[in-house]
Amino acid sequence: EADIYQTPRYLVIGTGKKITLECSQTMGHDKMYWYQQDPGMELHLIHYSYGVNSTEKGDLSSESTVSRIRTEHFPLTLESARPSHTSQYLCASTPPTGVYNEQFFGPGTRLTVL
Amino acid sequence: GENVEQHPSTLSVQEGDSAVIKCTYSDSASNYFPWYKQELGKGPQLIIDIRSNVGEKKDQRIAVTLNKTAKHFSLHITETQPEDSAVYFCAASKGHSNSGYALNFGKGTSLLVTP
Repeated sequence: EADIYQTPRYLVIGTGKKITLECSQTMGHDKMYWYQQDPGMELHLIHYSYGVNSTEKGDLSSESTVSRIRTEHFPLTLESARPSHTSQYLCASTPPTGVYNEQFFGPGTRLTVL
Repeated sequence: GENVEQHPSTLSVQEGDSAVIKCTYSDSASNYFPWYKQELGKGPQLIIDIRSNVGEKKDQRIAVTLNKTAKHFSLHITETQPEDSAVYFCAASKGHSNSGYALNFGKGTSLLVTP
């Protein structure tokens, strides 16, 4: 079982609120990712990081932002939540060693914006 | 970029039967092909992976085959059990730093095993 944590697990919030979804891993992984999972199951990469102070946008355009100040922590922030942001958000990480990038996923945060 | 197609999107089998999920990929440089299982309310978990230097890998009731020439790979689950019911994702990756270590996922297959 991978040591990657996400909080909160569930969040219901009103439109216009600022929210931060937390993701932490205790495995010393350098690469971390955020995925948005729609009700149809498909996983969309929205942000990733190669290490401290590195952040990149993923394939799916997102109004969220991320930061990577510490290796173990990769929070995702929505400045002004909207109903279109309602989704499941999954965080993942990959160890620094090896050529192949097995990704370890957290349990996810289910966000509902009213 | 890499495009991964996964079929079927839903699959229903009787307990004890076999289940097969198929994926194709577009980038011949891809060399790492993991499969993930996602149970309800949880994040995806790696169940098996295969690298481009082998054609088949087996782990108990689960096996994966890879055909690099045809650019397709498949997941085989034998003697299915109700606890195999979940969403399964295939993925493909070039697995090196120039590609950004990206995993390109298929759209998922919802497997239901009925007793």
